Amino acid sequence: AQKITQTQPGMFVQEKEAVTLDCTYDTSDQSYGLFWYKQPSSGEMIFLIYQGSYDEQNATEGRYSLNFQKARKSANLVISASQLGDSAMYFCAMREPENSGGSNYKLTFGKGTLLTVNP
Amino acid sequence: NAGVTQTPKFQVLKTGQSMTLQCAQDMNHEYMSWYRQDPGMGLRLIHYSVGAGITDQGEVPNGYNVSRSTTEDFPLRLLSAAPSQTSVYFCASSYSVQGLATGELFFGEGSRLTVL
Repeated sequence: AQKITQTQPGMFVQEKEAVTLDCTYDTSDQSYGLFWYKQPSSGEMIFLIYQGSYDEQNATEGRYSLNFQKARKSANLVISASQLGDSAMYFCAMREPENSGGSNYKLTFGKGTLLTVNP
Repeated sequence: NAGVTQTPKFQVLKTGQSMTLQCAQDMNHEYMSWYRQDPGMGLRLIHYSVGAGITDQGEVPNGYNVSRSTTEDFPLRLLSAAPSQTSVYFCASSYSVQGLATGELFFGEGSRLTVL
């Protein structure tokens, strides 16, 4: 079973509008972390935002916010005031303990959502 | 600020050839990992290391070997390349995985490998 599910292969948004990219996750651990990365067409991976499982408030970083709904196991990325430069592939990822001791962590990625911002 | 450096950026191999993808980081990160990215598959973990002398398998380890003799370097070896290993490979590192605040991965620029 997939641990990270991104159900939107592609999304379109008009410049200056807000857009939500969906991410659901599956874990039985209580301690985990959720990440969003951006990959523009140039190929590099850019860290955007992080949410810890014990964080009560939604994470925000500039125009990025993470809508964390723990009971629903969702961690959607919201981009406000979209810009043409936001056009890219976006990956949701989860870090969870490899074992019950939590001494090792692995980061598991979803398959990504390709966002296109139209002028 | 070198960060994570991968070499080569592009490589073409013939089936059966061997090669090593190099990865070096200068941030004194304990955790290093290799991912492969294939269309529609996202990034999949190949191998990872939590410190010098310690390596472990990820989701798709078959056909790849790694070693971690120093904190800085984490090479990925393909012993006998196959067309199925055609992919973009990313090396990524992070601060210590224990007690860290975010554990965000710092990625190299990627290495595009084609196996004919």
